Amino acid sequence: GAVVSQHPSRVICKSGTSVKIECRSLDFQATTMFWYRQFPKQSLMLMATSNEGSKATYEQGVEKDKFLINHASLTLSTLTVTSAHPEDSSFYICSARGRGGGQPQHFGDGTRLSIL
Amino acid sequence: DQQVKQNSPSLSVQEGRISILNCDYTNSMFDYFLWYKKYPAEGPTFLISISSIKDKNEDGRFTVFLNKSAKHLSLHIVPSQPGDSAVYFCAASVGKGGTSYGKLTFGQGTILTVHP
Repeated sequence: GAVVSQHPSRVICKSGTSVKIECRSLDFQATTMFWYRQFPKQSLMLMATSNEGSKATYEQGVEKDKFLINHASLTLSTLTVTSAHPEDSSFYICSARGRGGGQPQHFGDGTRLSIL
Repeated sequence: DQQVKQNSPSLSVQEGRISILNCDYTNSMFDYFLWYKKYPAEGPTFLISISSIKDKNEDGRFTVFLNKSAKHLSLHIVPSQPGDSAVYFCAASVGKGGTSYGKLTFGQGTILTVHP
């Protein structure tokens, strides 16, 4: 099946640090990648959608200057949390979707971000 | 506004019996529905989907039923196995031309526990 790799799985860093999270589709070309955030006991909330080679589309309320998304190739998208603060601590998870109609999203294993 | 709701936070079932997970939605524009399964510390895994042009889709032990008039879908697992114990998320999307999965809106998840 389709495999999506997300790295790192866990990050602990000081306030003010910028953190980069990578999302790779290992065995298929991901024309679209999605970035989600999940708070404890809540559902996955879509942050942004990115298509290869174009700017990401952010959901309402998500700061694009805070959460930088780059989808440079058909197998890699990155999310950079800039100048992270404790309120940015959360579980971030990416998904990828391949070409063609009817393709479901396949998810990475998520990144637990803790800002001290 | 929670457009996709899973009102049961948890469900406990005996091995061999049927598990029925429910999901309600409010947005009548949704035309694709998916179920994902999630183990701790892993990303969601795609299970099964259904288009709004159908009312049932079956894949092995998993069957999804869609009642458009009630804006309700359910996932049936039969027979249930201890390995099915996980968090189950339903998700919905507004496709384009009925041929692709757009961005997903997730429910809050239901924790299924299957007892031996």
